[in-house]
Amino acid sequence: SSELTQDPAVSVALGQTVRITCQGDSLRSYYASWYQQKPGQAPVLVIYGKNNRPSGIPDRFSGSSSGNTASLTITGAQAEDEADYYCNSRDSSGNHLRVFGGGTKLTVL
Amino acid sequence: QVQLVQSGAEVKKPGASVKVSCKASGYTFTSYGISWVRQAPGQGLEWMGWISAYNGNTNYAQKLQGRVTMTTDTSTSTAYMELRSLRSDDTAVYYCARENSGSYHLEIDYWGQGTLVTVSS
Repeated sequence: SSELTQDPAVSVALGQTVRITCQGDSLRSYYASWYQQKPGQAPVLVIYGKNNRPSGIPDRFSGSSSGNTASLTITGAQAEDEADYYCNSRDSSGNHLRVFGGGTKLTVL
Repeated sequence: QVQLVQSGAEVKKPGASVKVSCKASGYTFTSYGISWVRQAPGQGLEWMGWISAYNGNTNYAQKLQGRVTMTTDTSTSTAYMELRSLRSDDTAVYYCARENSGSYHLEIDYWGQGTLVTVSS
């Protein structure tokens, strides 16, 4: 079982806003990073740190955190945003291990 | 530009070992760590472990302790992941990835193309 919990599936209407969440005890101490993965492709980093986007990631992607929950928000979802999204952070053991959430399948309707 | 180029697909029998390589270019290899992540067919991402390219320190996922070894060769900017006593549930795409980490954050900012390892009798 994953120490970071994500909803398995979320849907959003084209152009609307969607929030994908990630819960875990380690998120009280560490930021989550977020990855987008499309079928047959390697994951791509979309958000890291407090709310940072790598070069080339559209500004409709943003991140936030509160307590034990990290969130990835897509404001004005596009068809090309349909993908699996994973959060990643350190685990809560303090042993410098890392963990991924189970992933959220985003469907853009 | 940063690139991580992995070795090709492998087919192994149960009980065998596999060693996947990951050649880095476009950055100072010893300034970052390398994480290894795998993904079984139709499943999510699973963190396997991390190695510091600076000093070779490693952290492995508990479920793989004793079966996995991660190493680096700084002379060729190459990372290696060896997995032993292979089982059918080790069938997966294996990714190497560059990790940037600090006290309160970590992010995997570049990924290799993935190496499919198939374990089958």
